[in-house]
Amino acid sequence: DTEVTQTPKHLVMGMTNKKSLKCEQHMGHRAMYWYKQKAKKPPELMFVYSYEKLSINESVPSRFSPECPNSSLLNLHLHALQPEDSALYLCASSQDGGEAFFGQGTRLTVV
Amino acid sequence: QKEVEQNSGPLSVPEGAIASLNCTYSDRGSQSFFWYRQYSGKSPELIMFIYSNGDKEDGRFTAQLNKASQYVSLLIRDSQPSDSATYLCAVNGLTGGGNKLTFGTGTQLKVEL
Repeated sequence: DTEVTQTPKHLVMGMTNKKSLKCEQHMGHRAMYWYKQKAKKPPELMFVYSYEKLSINESVPSRFSPECPNSSLLNLHLHALQPEDSALYLCASSQDGGEAFFGQGTRLTVV
Repeated sequence: QKEVEQNSGPLSVPEGAIASLNCTYSDRGSQSFFWYRQYSGKSPELIMFIYSNGDKEDGRFTAQLNKASQYVSLLIRDSQPSDSATYLCAVNGLTGGGNKLTFGTGTQLKVEL
């Protein structure tokens, strides 16, 4: 089973809202990732958690707040987003340095 | 210099031909290399990975790695219209304990009937 599950699939939120994106994997992977992808661009790394600790933050604005409650779950908390934050948000997981598998993504629209 | 570079294309090949996709990377300490296929509006799908110099074959796909030249490629034999997609090269560097997976800009492949 190489499944990474993301919820919700679509999200529309206002600039004053607070929302959360969720990601779950049951492959025993110890690295989990958040990527942001704009149309016709490659995925852009945001955060990496390794063994439930934040190991990489690619200078992401504080309106994005990641959380890793346990080894299977990864959340991305959103607050006071801007319209330019509208994108496809992708979660992925891998073993250390190994193959990363992606979820289906959450298509976020900020209005 | 970008960390991972690909020709954005589009690369057009006739059905049944071999499609050759190329990628170069800048971090000489990179350990693992991946090819993802992404259809429009969908998430990336892993199709090949390679860790050692040389060739690795899986069905119609062959990945080639040359660490001395910092070059990785993907060959798709007997190309089919369903192979039309964007192909993303991804490289895992040493940063973050070997978990910094960086993508190239992707090459759009079009397989024509």
